[in-house]
Amino acid sequence: DTGVSQNPRHKITKRGQNVTFRCDPISEHNRLYWYRQTLGQGPEFLTYFQNEAQLEKSRLLSDRFSAERPKGSFSTLEIQRTEQGDSAMYLCASRITGDGNTIYFGEGSWLTVV
Amino acid sequence: SQQGEEDPQALSIQEGENATMNCSYKTSINNLQWYRQNSGRGLVHLILIRSNEREKHSGRLRVTLDTSKKSSSLLITASRAADTASYFCATADTGTASKLTFGTGTRLQVTL
Repeated sequence: DTGVSQNPRHKITKRGQNVTFRCDPISEHNRLYWYRQTLGQGPEFLTYFQNEAQLEKSRLLSDRFSAERPKGSFSTLEIQRTEQGDSAMYLCASRITGDGNTIYFGEGSWLTVV
Repeated sequence: SQQGEEDPQALSIQEGENATMNCSYKTSINNLQWYRQNSGRGLVHLILIRSNEREKHSGRLRVTLDTSKKSSSLLITASRAADTASYFCATADTGTASKLTFGTGTRLQVTL
């Protein structure tokens, strides 16, 4: 399967701990996006990369959140000092730049902060 | 923030019936995409319609787009129990990011 891969799929952590999620996009996709989805809501944009450059960050991305894509391939999303409000599914997506190109999503990483 | 609303929020139909979901949005768009999400899973891309297109078909799916009304509809014909899922419309903005902004989704239940 050469789709978008995310791990871990599920993470339970205690409040105050740091967590890191990894995303492997579809090969040769130069755009990579991170979204967050809470129960009963649609996904909300967090940030995106064009190759290794992080070009836009949502106001949802507080200073406890950091995302990287060091070599323009896989990406990591780290949440420091987790809070219960961080509990959500974190979705990664990728695409090739170009007019109308489909954005493909991974299966998501569920985070539960207890 | 959410771009717009899907209508209805929930829909329950019997297998074999058609299901229609509507989506409204607020800003100028490059394209609009529909996704399906099974409970606890990721998003599966269904169909993309560009801003200069009015209708598109894919298998049992039919999508319309009315940019003057800033609305779109998704029709699933001859529904099956396996179509049970949440359906989201997402608009791609006209900026360079082309990031998607999602609606709140329609939860479709197809019963036997």
